[in-house]
Amino acid sequence: DAGVIQSPRHEVTEMGQEVTLRCKPISGHDYLFWYRQTMMRGLELLIYFNNNVPIDDSGMPEDRFSAKMPNASFSTLKIQPSEPRDSAVYFCASSPDRGWSEQYFGPGTRLTVT
Amino acid sequence: AQKVTQAQTEISVVEKEDVTLDCVYETRDTTYYLFWYKQPPSGELVFLIRRNSFDEQNEISGRYSWNFQKSTSSFNFTITASQVVDSAVYFCALSEAGDDKIIFGKGTRLHILP
Repeated sequence: DAGVIQSPRHEVTEMGQEVTLRCKPISGHDYLFWYRQTMMRGLELLIYFNNNVPIDDSGMPEDRFSAKMPNASFSTLKIQPSEPRDSAVYFCASSPDRGWSEQYFGPGTRLTVT
Repeated sequence: AQKVTQAQTEISVVEKEDVTLDCVYETRDTTYYLFWYKQPPSGELVFLIRRNSFDEQNEISGRYSWNFQKSTSSFNFTITASQVVDSAVYFCALSEAGDDKIIFGKGTRLHILP
């Protein structure tokens, strides 16, 4: 399998612009997770889906963030409007089973908001 | 509440030395799962190992070994005869049974000096 695919790998945008990050999970995996990694806060879970349904979005920082999973092979994380403090590496991960199963991470999207 | 503490923020050792990365966890559950992930300079998190709370046997995989001790709530990771390619950030993580989420520690950055 190709592994978890994320695009773009790097994104530089200006404050106020809309940003869309994309993720293709591993085929057959029922769980999809979005994380944000910064030096200050480490690795934070933003939201996760089970069978395309959002289960827990308590980690989403504010209403500017939204995530969707229209089908089993695609998910998006959108930030609108973006702010400089959103600069981070955003990871998507998928898992074949519940919490006891290992998660497979994508390469991440490095977002810079100027 | 569940929590993972990696007290060592950064470690540097000379190649071929042994090094141990510490991990202490907190949970109220009797059934839980512990993980170690590696994040090399390329950025992608790579799964290394998973242990469940009922299996306290130490695990060895090549130069890697893990010591799980419930009495001290620790799950330490030792690299024997370290190599430069072991340089990375290592994350310890915890998942409670019935929970889909994995809680990550802050990570330990390991530098292996040639």
